[in-house]
Amino acid sequence: NAGVTQTPKFRVLKTGQSMTLLCAQDMNHEYMYWYRQDPGMGLRLIHYSVGEGTTAKGEVPDGYNVSRLKKQNFLLGLESAAPSQTSVYFCASSYTGVEAFFGQGTRLTVV
Amino acid sequence: ILNVEQSPQSLHVQEGDSTSFTCSFPSSNFYALHWYRWETAKSPEALFVMTLNGDEKKKGRISATLNTKEGYSYLYIKGSQPEDSATYLCAFRLGAGFQKLVFGTGTRLLVSP
Repeated sequence: NAGVTQTPKFRVLKTGQSMTLLCAQDMNHEYMYWYRQDPGMGLRLIHYSVGEGTTAKGEVPDGYNVSRLKKQNFLLGLESAAPSQTSVYFCASSYTGVEAFFGQGTRLTVV
Repeated sequence: ILNVEQSPQSLHVQEGDSTSFTCSFPSSNFYALHWYRWETAKSPEALFVMTLNGDEKKKGRISATLNTKEGYSYLYIKGSQPEDSATYLCAFRLGAGFQKLVFGTGTRLLVSP
């Protein structure tokens, strides 16, 4: 049972490069979320989705785009990476929207 | 800006010690309080969801209490074991939907044998 899988686990980008982080869940969950975690701060919500084809902004959406074309996948895109986007990114999914399962994180460094 | 404070930031105890830490949150607009256990290099794992003032929850040696009127929750670990070493996160929920969670920065617990 894979649960929530994030790809890749680590990445180093140069400023201005683009990339996409993939979150995949095999639990048929409706709700999916992208967070970032920075030193000294709690997890902060970037974007979320309440179902296939829907997305919404969270607390810190600037510089990121998302897509939920398939129910099981939630993609987080960085169009032009900046050093301020160096962070650990976590995806989560939920069946009810009450409690969620988290992936193991993607550590992104932008140089 | 909503603040969810956890104290202490870190804690080092010996195996067998009992310990507790605090999560403080706004006492208004309370919907729910979540606790998570987060081991290094793993994903956060849900421990408790608490919704009612006076709620007490227990899972094995870990328990939690909730006081919504004064805006705090305590997490207790009885007889700490090295495998309890982790960061314990709390999150305050403002309304329906997981997207309404505001996370604290966590208490990092280290239990030495």
